[in-house]
Amino acid sequence: EDKVVQSPLSLVVHEGDTVTLNCSYEVTNFRSLLWYKQEKKAPTFLFMLTSSGIEKKSGRLSSILDKKELFSILNITATQTGDSAIYLCAVYNTNAGKSTFGDGTTLTVKP
Amino acid sequence: KAGVTQTPRYLIKTRGQQVTLSCSPISGHRSVSWYQQTPGQGLQFLFEYFSETQRNKGNFPGRFSGRQFSNSRSEMNVSTLELGDSALYLCASSSQGGPVNTEAFFGQGTRLTVV
Repeated sequence: EDKVVQSPLSLVVHEGDTVTLNCSYEVTNFRSLLWYKQEKKAPTFLFMLTSSGIEKKSGRLSSILDKKELFSILNITATQTGDSAIYLCAVYNTNAGKSTFGDGTTLTVKP
Repeated sequence: KAGVTQTPRYLIKTRGQQVTLSCSPISGHRSVSWYQQTPGQGLQFLFEYFSETQRNKGNFPGRFSGRQFSNSRSEMNVSTLELGDSALYLCASSSQGGPVNTEAFFGQGTRLTVV
């Protein structure tokens, strides 16, 4: 059974802080790891990672994958209140043809 | 380009009833996946449809079923509803899904409450 574990489960920071969210996984036939941001209902896509050591960056967000140690991190620098959300990590199993999601990290950014 | 549309947004049903949820994917997308999200279980994969065929299935009982039409719109049906079926049901569309992995775009979800 594929497994995705995210940590911490929740995090409270102040605006301007930098946060690092963790995602570790166990999956057979790994294809890719995806990060999503869920504010109210619809998760919105952030990054898709397939190769180790290549950082993906979008504004203040960045993410990197380590396929040897089976984890990924999502960094958010200079956090803003609008970053408050649940951040979901998912891994895609090629043979099963499905994504397995972690429970998410709930990030709260206080002004 | 319109996003993924799910209807209805909210639904209240009683135990034993059945319900049908609808998902219209992004135009041109052929893959639709369904997920159940509950506070205790997180996002759980239900099934994926591609070109009107169920391609993959999660670990849910047979009360959960779905189908996809020729225009790629998909419906999910839950029969004999149980209290534990109360959840946010999300659908996600992608251009191909499957082994050619592209990011999926989610709809706003249908909040189902079973009383």
